[in-house]
Amino acid sequence: DIQMTQSPSSLSASVGDRVTITCRASQSISSYLNWYQQKPGKAPKLLIYAASSLQSGVLSRFRGSGFGTDFTLTISSLQPEDFATYYCQQSYSSWTFGHGTKVEIK
Amino acid sequence: EVQLVESGGGLVQPGGSLRLSCAASGFTFSTYAMSWVRQAPGKGLEWVSAISGSGGSTYYADSVKGRFTISRDNSKNTLYLQMNSLRAEDTAVYYCARHAEGAVAGIYYYYMDVWGKGTSVTVSS
Repeated sequence: DIQMTQSPSSLSASVGDRVTITCRASQSISSYLNWYQQKPGKAPKLLIYAASSLQSGVLSRFRGSGFGTDFTLTISSLQPEDFATYYCQQSYSSWTFGHGTKVEIK
Repeated sequence: EVQLVESGGGLVQPGGSLRLSCAASGFTFSTYAMSWVRQAPGKGLEWVSAISGSGGSTYYADSVKGRFTISRDNSKNTLYLQMNSLRAEDTAVYYCARHAEGAVAGIYYYYMDVWGKGTSVTVSS
């Protein structure tokens, strides 16, 4: 089974900060990597698919990159509505989620 | 409007059974594979099971294999999850999610683009 490791598990940041979250796969998954945002008590929301493709309706301050085993989600200028937990997910072989990164207000 | 609405959650004793439903609307249900994803209290997301659009292929996480059964009724636009031999560790919010695919440079990639709001399952005596 493919394991997904996210780091950090949590971070504190201020509005306007640039935030970077990393996700590492236990084996190469090409670009079969998705990113989701989840707010408390809500369902996950798709942000990025295929490592770097922005889902329709998602703002361009969210950017995904990476290939193979190492991936990054970058929020260019953190906004108040971006405080949430972010999950990576591989879809190369079945489906596996990372453990999540909670972005909190500093 | 594309929508998924889960139902059927509740409190059940260890060893008991429960059937979850997910009603789909706003899209051609039979053309999409679907999944169940769960989230234990205070924990992350865990994929549970998936089914093809026709229902002919099913897939399970090792943690539920042999205990849970996914199915669908395309005439009713409804996805199901039959959960038997429930354990305390099955306590979670259960989400249904639609599979989608997007082509990038001629290669198809897979993701979950529509999610329901979830239904809560508590396994406790």
